[in-house]
Parts: sequence; structure tokens; C-alpha cells
Amino acid sequence: GENVEQHPSTLSVQEGDSAVIKCTYSDSASNYFPWYKQELGKRPQLIIDIRSNVGEKKDQRIAVTLNKTAKHFSLHITETQPEDSAVYFCAASGTGFQKLVFGTGTRLLVSP
Amino acid sequence: AAGVIQSPRHLIKEKRETATLKCYPIPRHDTVYWYQQGPGQDPQFLISFYEKMQSDKGSIPDRFSAQQFSDYHSELNMSSLELGDSALYFCASSPRGAGELFFGEGSRLTVL
Repeated sequence: GENVEQHPSTLSVQEGDSAVIKCTYSDSASNYFPWYKQELGKRPQLIIDIRSNVGEKKDQRIAVTLNKTAKHFSLHITETQPEDSAVYFCAASGTGFQKLVFGTGTRLLVSP
Repeated sequence: AAGVIQSPRHLIKEKRETATLKCYPIPRHDTVYWYQQGPGQDPQFLISFYEKMQSDKGSIPDRFSAQQFSDYHSELNMSSLELGDSALYFCASSPRGAGELFFGEGSRLTVL
């Protein structure tokens, strides 16, 4: 089955800096790669996603890149703000009703 | 817009007791997923249903069972509760093949 690895596990940046979180996946059949932001005790919130037919996607300060050959994808947050502080999860799934397999999470701390 | 509804939001049980969690998916979403998230952990896939049939099974203990009913709501039944079952339980729904999962607010189970 699919296995998703994520790093770093913690990331501390200063406000205004950029943050990059990286994930690798094992199943070459996976074709959907979402990123979720989760605050303590809350549900995961989708912040951006990318499908395998696209190499990069951007939404304001957030961008995701996908390298299908290397089986890795990354989340880029620019101009970080304290409210970006949360745990971020990458995930991967295949087609149909394939379950999402999550990475182990990255705790991002943005200091003012 | 309607979201995934989970109940109860909080539940406290004693060891060896039974608990039932309910999930009402977004209308016209035919696939339901259950995830368990322990403290500081990533969400772990338990089980999913498509059109009222089990579609996939993950790390769900034999003490747990689930089903999806004719109105598409789903219930997760947990028996012989153990301390380690204390976690946030998320239900998510999606239209088949869409990829994106829509998460409910979660049910926090505490086993004493």
C-alpha cells in the first residue's frame, strides 16, 4: 500500500520568511496530493491540492510542486505570518474511492 | 453550504464500555471515510464505505465495526474500549472519484 513520508517534523521560521515542507510517496499509481492545515483539536482543513497531470499549482502565498518521476511533492509558503502556525499534513491517494494516506505532519511555528 | 456532521462531539467512557459515533455526510456524497487521530499523530485510516458497501479497510481493530445506512449516514461502533482508543475520530465524505475529502469537526473520545 501507499506510504507517505514527510519532513521536517518541526519547522520554525521568522515572520515574512518562506517555509518549505517536503513529502515522498511510494505508490506510483497515486494521482491526487492534497495538503491540509490542522490547528490543535480541529479538523484538517484543505489548503491546496494538486493532481498528477500538473507540475505546479499556486494560490496566493501557497504553492505546491509535484515531481512524479521522483515521487515527491512540496508545499511552499511565502511571506509567512503568525497565523500560519499549525500542523501541516501532506497526503496521497489514487483514483475512485481510494483513501487518503497522510504523512506524519510538520509543526510549523512562525515567530513575530 | 452543508458540511459533514459528526456526533457526539465529545464522549467520555470507561474501559470495557461501548461507544457509537455517527457521521452525516454532505448531501450527494456517496463515500464516507473514518479516520482515527491520536495525540500528536497523523490521521490513520480505519474504514470506508461507498454506496453503503465497505470499500476499503485500514487499521481498524476487530473490536470496532462500522456501517453505512440507506440515508448514507455512517456509524462507527467501538466495543471493549481501551485507554489507547482515546483519540479524535474524524469522518470525511466525498463524491466518488473526486479525490478531495471533506472532514467533519471530529468526535473526541476519552476512555478513562
